[in-house]
Amino acid sequence: KNEVEQSPQNLTAQEGEFITINCSYSVGISALHWLQQHPGGGIVSLFMLSSGKKKHGRLIATINIQEKHSSLHITASHPRDSAVYICAVSGYGQNFVFGPGTRLSVLP
Amino acid sequence: DAGVIQSPRHEVTEMGQEVTLRCKPISGHDYLFWYRQTMMRGLELLIYFNNNVPIDDSGMPEDRFSAKMPNASFSTLKIQPSEPRDSAVYFCASSHNEQFFGPGTRLTVL
Repeated sequence: KNEVEQSPQNLTAQEGEFITINCSYSVGISALHWLQQHPGGGIVSLFMLSSGKKKHGRLIATINIQEKHSSLHITASHPRDSAVYICAVSGYGQNFVFGPGTRLSVLP
Repeated sequence: DAGVIQSPRHEVTEMGQEVTLRCKPISGHDYLFWYRQTMMRGLELLIYFNNNVPIDDSGMPEDRFSAKMPNASFSTLKIQPSEPRDSAVYFCASSHNEQFFGPGTRLTVL
């Protein structure tokens, strides 16, 4: 079974700061997913990656398949970015294994 | 589209009772997933369907749990009998490529 780790566990930033959240996994995958869970509990899928880099607004996700590592970057962070960010990996088929999440607080 | 719809949003029941959670996926999506989230274990995949057929149920904790998808627009997750350790938030998600999550059902078993 894939082991998925995230760092840091908790992160507090000031508005405007550049933020990086890391995810590493132990076994080769077909896709990696970044999810955002807001304080109200709702979950939004941010990215699905199998290689390279994707960008959506102020969010950038990268993956290095050889190193089994992915990063989620937030540029010009804003208090509304405060949420738990969860990394998940899927192998053959779509058997998701989730990381423990990174709790981000962006202060005004 | 209204997104993924789950009902009920909250359920409180007593140990031993049967619980049925419902999900209506987004029209046109061919995958449906059931997840469970607890403080102790985080998010876990319970089961997923492709074109209404269960593909992997290895995450279903035990025989008390069962899931069905009788047609492309409806799925149920049933717990019988329920136990206090089943208390969690249960999410349904559907996808064609990207996953869309429902709002979740918060289950409390007393």
